Amino acid sequence: QEKVQQSPESLIVPEGAMSSLNCTFSNSASQSIWWYQQHPGKGPEALISIFSNGNKKEGRLTVYLNRASLHVSLHIRDSQPSDSAVYLCAANNNAGAKLTFGGGTRLTVRP
Amino acid sequence: EAGVTQSPRYAVLQEGQAVSFWCDPISGHDTLYWYQQPRDQGPQLLVYFRDEAVIDNSQLPSDRFSAVRPKGTNSTLKIQSAKQGDTATYLCASSRDWGHYEQYFGPGTRLTVL
Repeated sequence: QEKVQQSPESLIVPEGAMSSLNCTFSNSASQSIWWYQQHPGKGPEALISIFSNGNKKEGRLTVYLNRASLHVSLHIRDSQPSDSAVYLCAANNNAGAKLTFGGGTRLTVRP
Repeated sequence: EAGVTQSPRYAVLQEGQAVSFWCDPISGHDTLYWYQQPRDQGPQLLVYFRDEAVIDNSQLPSDRFSAVRPKGTNSTLKIQSAKQGDTATYLCASSRDWGHYEQYFGPGTRLTVL
């Protein structure tokens, strides 16, 4: 069964800094890795996904995937107080339909 | 386009009581998921449907939990006899098809079992 672990559990950065979040997964055959953002009292919302080894950039977000080391990272450039939320990493199973989530990283951006 | 809607938003029960959660997915999304999210943890998949068919309910505590999606649109998740350990937020999500498509989540139902 797929296992997804995230680190750190909590991260505090000043406004304008780079935020870096990490995730490891157990199955190198996982089809894709997703990052979701969850604000208090709300459901998770997808931010970015990556299928292929390497990196993908969308706006202030960059994701790096290394299947050999089963590691993916999310970097948020120029972090803003509105980025404060829980960030969830999730891996798709081989069939693509099931998502296995990690425990989340709580990001706080101080003004 | 309306998002995924869920009701009720909150529920408070005594142990042993029953409760039902209702989900209306995004129109045209044929895959529907139910997740359980304990406080300060990530969502854990309970069951998912493609149209009206259950595809995987292996993580559903079958003796007390049940889920249906009779017409392939709305869905209901029911807990027959709630326990304190069921305290969590129950999230519903839908996706356009199964595969590598984004899952869209509703706001969840926060359940407290006393």
